Amino acid sequence: AQSVAQPEDQVNVAEGNPLTVKCTYSVSGNPYLFWYVQYPNRGLQFLLKYITGDNLVKGSYGFEAEFNKSQTSFHLKKPSALVSDSALYFCAVRDNTGGFKTIFGAGTRLFVKA
Amino acid sequence: NAGVTQTPKFQVLKTGQSMTLQCAQDMNHNSMYWYRQDPGMGLRLIYYSASEGTTDKGEVPNGYNVSRLNKREFSLRLESAAPSQTSVYFCASLTGGWGETQYFGPGTRLLVL
Repeated sequence: AQSVAQPEDQVNVAEGNPLTVKCTYSVSGNPYLFWYVQYPNRGLQFLLKYITGDNLVKGSYGFEAEFNKSQTSFHLKKPSALVSDSALYFCAVRDNTGGFKTIFGAGTRLFVKA
Repeated sequence: NAGVTQTPKFQVLKTGQSMTLQCAQDMNHNSMYWYRQDPGMGLRLIYYSASEGTTDKGEVPNGYNVSRLNKREFSLRLESAAPSQTSVYFCASLTGGWGETQYFGPGTRLLVL
């Protein structure tokens, strides 16, 4: 069965520093991986996805993610954090059992301090 | 385009009451989904509709029913609300394809007393 793990409940980083939000996955077959962000009292917004191709995927708002097949990881990164990046981040994997379902991790809260 | 819309935004129910959460999308998407979000548990799939005319159970379907009214609309019904159903409910849709992106509605916050 497909699954996603986000090992950190919260990540704290100072503004201007690089940030990493970790995600590991378990899938059978090809992985289709996604990152979403949720701001307070809002729905989820798509950031980026890995389908195939380059292991470094670039997305919205300066975020990127590195796909590592051997480590089954898909960590979200940003070279320089902004206070406005503070939000809840979800890693997700497409379930290949039908219906194009998506399985979400528990989420990681990112707090960027000025 | 409005994208994915949900009504109501907020609702308070008493235990045993019923209600229907409405969801509509104007992107001509084939597949629609209902999730609930609880602290520390991420999003859990309640029901989904891979295409018009079909519905299937997700991870946590107990206590819920759904109707895919047409291609645009997918409703979620609580027949007899319980405090354990206090949550934030999100509707989502996608075109249909392994690499396609899901689009989410703004959510419905439900409190069951």
